[in-house]
Amino acid sequence: AQSVTQLDSQVPVFEEAPVELRCNYSSSVSVYLFWYVQYPNQGLQLLLKYLSGSTLVESINGFEAEFNKSQTSFHLRKPSVHISDTAEYFCAVSERGQGGKLIFGQGTELSVKP
Amino acid sequence: GAVVSQHPSWVICKSGTSVKIECRSLDFQATTMFWYRQFPKQSLMLMATSNEGSKATYEQGVEKDKFLINHASLTLSTLTVTSAHPEDSSFYICSARDGQGLQETQYFGPGTRLLVL
Repeated sequence: AQSVTQLDSQVPVFEEAPVELRCNYSSSVSVYLFWYVQYPNQGLQLLLKYLSGSTLVESINGFEAEFNKSQTSFHLRKPSVHISDTAEYFCAVSERGQGGKLIFGQGTELSVKP
Repeated sequence: GAVVSQHPSWVICKSGTSVKIECRSLDFQATTMFWYRQFPKQSLMLMATSNEGSKATYEQGVEKDKFLINHASLTLSTLTVTSAHPEDSSFYICSARDGQGLQETQYFGPGTRLLVL
């Protein structure tokens, strides 16, 4: 069975500092990988995804994530965070051929301080 | 991107009553929708997969007779919490799948907060 582990439940950082949110997964088959962001009392928004091809994927707001198959990781990074990046971030995995079912990690609360 | 709406956004009900939550894909057709449940400060737990025109597929541990799912059209899925109890209080989120294979993306609704008194 597939699973997703986000190693950090909370990550406090100062504005303009770099940040990395860690995500590891386990699966016996090929997977698609996703990062979603959730602002307070809202639903989830897709931040970026890895389906195939280049292992480095980028979002429009400066986040990037790299798929590392050997380490079964999909860590999310941003070189310089803003106050507005404060939110809950969820890593998710979907096994190919499983009809799109997403399994989510526990979430990481990113708190950006001035 | 595509838009998914949920109605109502929040609901308060008495114990023992039933509550219906609607999930709509506004600008695309979704043969598959998903229902999730999220407790405070926790992750989303998949409850069931809703397929248009067929019965929903429930995850292990989810009572299908308590959480009734109907996906009668390509743009609407409903979740009915029957005989709701305080422990059913939660944040319910739906998603709709657009595209297939490498073009597939799930779009999430804004969620429905349910409080059972």
